[in-house]
Amino acid sequence: QPVLTQSSSASASLGSSVKLTCTLNSGHTNYIIAWHQQQPGKAPRYLMKVEGSGTYNKGSGVPDRFSGSSSGADRYLTISDLQSEDEAGYYCEAWNMNTRVFGGGTKLTVL
Amino acid sequence: EVQLLESGGGLVQPGGSLRLSCAASGFTFSNYALIWVRQAPGKGLDWVSAITGSGSATYYADSVKGRFTISRDNSKNTLYLQMNSLRADDAAEYYCARLGDGESRDWGQGTPVIVSS
Repeated sequence: QPVLTQSSSASASLGSSVKLTCTLNSGHTNYIIAWHQQQPGKAPRYLMKVEGSGTYNKGSGVPDRFSGSSSGADRYLTISDLQSEDEAGYYCEAWNMNTRVFGGGTKLTVL
Repeated sequence: EVQLLESGGGLVQPGGSLRLSCAASGFTFSNYALIWVRQAPGKGLDWVSAITGSGSATYYADSVKGRFTISRDNSKNTLYLQMNSLRADDAAEYYCARLGDGESRDWGQGTPVIVSS
């Protein structure tokens, strides 16, 4: 089954950009993944899907500051012009016919 | 607007049972697969179970197989999770989610399950 690896934490300054990484394990490097944001004390929120080609499709209402990309086994979430409300946990998700997995999540701190 | 509203969480003793519900609105319920995902305090997201739109197929994480049962009532637009033989490590916030084209597209607000004597 797929396994997703994320760094546990990241930080960046207000107004800057940050690129978060989700890495797929060997044998699953062509998987589509989804990114979700979880603000403190709230439910997760779907942000986008990212394909191995780098094509990404965002959910309704997701700001233009959020984008996705891909390289090999890595799937990226880039947030530009960081705002205070972007301080949150970010989780990637992968799935197949009978299972789904989440990465361990990256806690993003906006300085 | 898609809405998912979980209920049924609460305090239960180890070995006890609980049934969670997820009431849905804003979409044609029977057309969509649904899942349960949980999150222990301070931890990440953990997939629990999935069910197809018709209810004909169900899937479980190994950690809950044989103890939890997912079901749905398409006439009531409601998803369920029957949890038996509860353990301390089942304590978590439980979320239901609607699947899009594979991904978890819409999330409920969650319901807490506390397992303690």
